[in-house]
Amino acid sequence: DIQMTQFPSSLSASVGDRVTITCRASQSITTYLNWYQQKPGKAPNLLIYDASNLHGGVPSRFSGSGSGTEFTLTIASLQPEDFATYYCQQTYRSPPTFGRGTKVEIK
Amino acid sequence: QVQLQESGPGLVKPSETLSLTCTVSGGSISRGGYYWGWIRQSPGKGLEWIGSIYYDGSTFYNPSLQSRVTISADTPNNQFSLKLSSVSATDTALYFCARLRVGGAMPTDYWGQGTLVTVSS
Repeated sequence: DIQMTQFPSSLSASVGDRVTITCRASQSITTYLNWYQQKPGKAPNLLIYDASNLHGGVPSRFSGSGSGTEFTLTIASLQPEDFATYYCQQTYRSPPTFGRGTKVEIK
Repeated sequence: QVQLQESGPGLVKPSETLSLTCTVSGGSISRGGYYWGWIRQSPGKGLEWIGSIYYDGSTFYNPSLQSRVTISADTPNNQFSLKLSSVSATDTALYFCARLRVGGAMPTDYWGQGTLVTVSS
């Protein structure tokens, strides 16, 4: 299986901060990479697909970039509702696999 | 607006079969363009894709679970189901049903709220 490594595993940030989360694949996955946000007690929500495409209804402060083995999710200006756990997922090779998540906490 | 809702027992005994159903509203599972699948989440394994079914009945399973998993569709009732046999404590998890969009990175764009299944005697 392709291993997805996210870092950091957690971070503390303030409202208004720029936040960057990195996801690294154990082999090249081109742009077969999705990002999700999950809040406690809820299902994950799709944020970014195909590495850089914003899912409908997702605020433009979220952006994704990268290809091959290294990807980033950026939140341009952190808002109170963005405190959550973020996951990357590869679908280049079956089975699809997820990273272990990055928890964004309030500083 | 597509909605998915899981249903099934919250407690299953070891060695028995876990059975869950996902009821879909706002979209037809018998139309192409989407896979319908199951994903689970546990503290030990994180998010784990279990498998998916396409409108033509073709199925795709995680090799780590393939010998124990069956996903099937009930198109008249717009439902699909998961059966996981010979369960053990390691199958205790929050189980989500979901829709996966065909094309590109096949994003999971709609999720059910999840149902907690505990394996215990």
